[in-house]
Amino acid sequence: EVHLLESGGGLVQPGGSLRLSCEASGFTFNNYAMSWVRQAPGKGLEWVAGISGSGSRRYYADSVKGRFTISRDNSKNMLFLQMNSLRAEDTAIYYCARDIEMVHDSWGRGNVVTVSS
Amino acid sequence: ELVLTQSPATLSLSPGERATLSCRASQTVTSFFAWYQQKPGQAPRLLMYDISNRATGIPPRFRGSGSGTDFTLTISSLEPEDFAVYYCQQSTAFGGGTKVEIK
Repeated sequence: EVHLLESGGGLVQPGGSLRLSCEASGFTFNNYAMSWVRQAPGKGLEWVAGISGSGSRRYYADSVKGRFTISRDNSKNMLFLQMNSLRAEDTAIYYCARDIEMVHDSWGRGNVVTVSS
Repeated sequence: ELVLTQSPATLSLSPGERATLSCRASQTVTSFFAWYQQKPGQAPRLLMYDISNRATGIPPRFRGSGSGTDFTLTISSLEPEDFAVYYCQQSTAFGGGTKVEIK
C-alpha cells in the first residue's frame, strides 16, 4: 500500500524559511515523479512543484519560482520542499503526491504551513 | 496557460439523485485529464484519470466523459458518502471545484 507522510510544517514569520519532508513507502520510489500541491484555507488546490523520478527535472508554479526548491533523496525514499522568502499567501496545507503522467494518484495527509508575524 | 473552469460552484441534491459536474478548459486538452474528490479534513482522492477511467476502488456510479475543452463527471445516484468537493485537473492546472451538498 502506498503511504506518504509529510512533516516539517509550522508557524513561520514572513520572509522566513521552512523545509517540508515527505516520507514515501509501499512502492518503488525512484520509478515515480512526485509533486507538492497546496491548499490555502477555504480555497482550492494549487500545484506547487514537481520532480522527475531521477530528480533530474524540476518544475515550479510561477507563484513560487525562485523561492521554493523541490528535491528528493531516492536512497531514503524522501521528497523535500525547501521554502524560502515565505509570504502570507503561502499559508496552506501542503500535500505531497505521487505522479503518473501528472495525475496525482496517491496523496499524503498534508502538513500545515502558516506564515504570520 | 491552461485555465479550468468548473460549474456549478455548488450543487444541492438529495441522495439517490443524479449529479452532473462540468469542467471547461481554456484550450484543447489532449491527455491526462483527471477528477478528484475531497471530503472535509481529508486529502484529495483520485477518482478518474484519462477522462473516463475509474481509479482503483472507485464504484461504477462515477463516470467521466468529454473531449476537447468540455468534460463532465456524472454520479448516477448519489450515496451519502459522495457529498464532497470535486476538482478537475490537467497537467499543472486545477479547476476551482464543485461542492456537492445535501439538499
